[in-house]
Amino acid sequence: DAKTTQPNSMESNEEEPVHLPCNHSTISGTDYIHWYRQLPSQGPEYVIHGLTSNVNNRMASLAIAEDRKSSTLILHRATLRDAAVYYCILSNEAAAGNKLTFGGGTRVLVKP
Amino acid sequence: NAGVTQTPKFQVLKTGQSMTLQCAQDMNHEYMSWYRQDPGMGLRLIHYSVGAGITDQGEVPNGYNVSRSTTEDFPLRLELAAPSQTSVYFCASTDGTLTGELFFGEGSRLTVL
Repeated sequence: DAKTTQPNSMESNEEEPVHLPCNHSTISGTDYIHWYRQLPSQGPEYVIHGLTSNVNNRMASLAIAEDRKSSTLILHRATLRDAAVYYCILSNEAAAGNKLTFGGGTRVLVKP
Repeated sequence: NAGVTQTPKFQVLKTGQSMTLQCAQDMNHEYMSWYRQDPGMGLRLIHYSVGAGITDQGEVPNGYNVSRSTTEDFPLRLELAAPSQTSVYFCASTDGTLTGELFFGEGSRLTVL
């Protein structure tokens, strides 16, 4: 199974953009890239997903490299509420839906 | 919609005791799963189900049993609790598609003394 690599932690100032990198150099052509986040004392929640093209939604943007070996989650204006652990996950037919693998993620600290 | 509901939120057990963590979802999802999360770690998959009557083992199934008699419910049973099972447990459900969102409950914090 393709694995993802993320930095352990990142810091940002409030109202500044945050760029969270994820490496997935062994990604296959049918793997989707998902991002979830886990706020303190809560279960993970879905943020965004993509396959090849960049994606935007109300929470964030996902920029996918042309060779798909890496991606970046972009929080356009960080708020204190965005302090969480962010997980980058790949899904495919073998590891889809309820069998997603969550690694250690990136802990984001937002400073006022 | 309530989404995914887990009970209890907190539980303390003694070594060797048994208990069941309850999980219910009201989204008519076929796919459900149980994860555990130890302090400072990511989530590890315990058991999962792709529909009523069908369950399978995940990454760390030892010491846990599951059943899926209805689409809505997916209880997790600990028969002989051990201190190593002290963790936060999350139940999740999804429609099972490659792009389907995984919905999580709020978690059940279990301490085994």
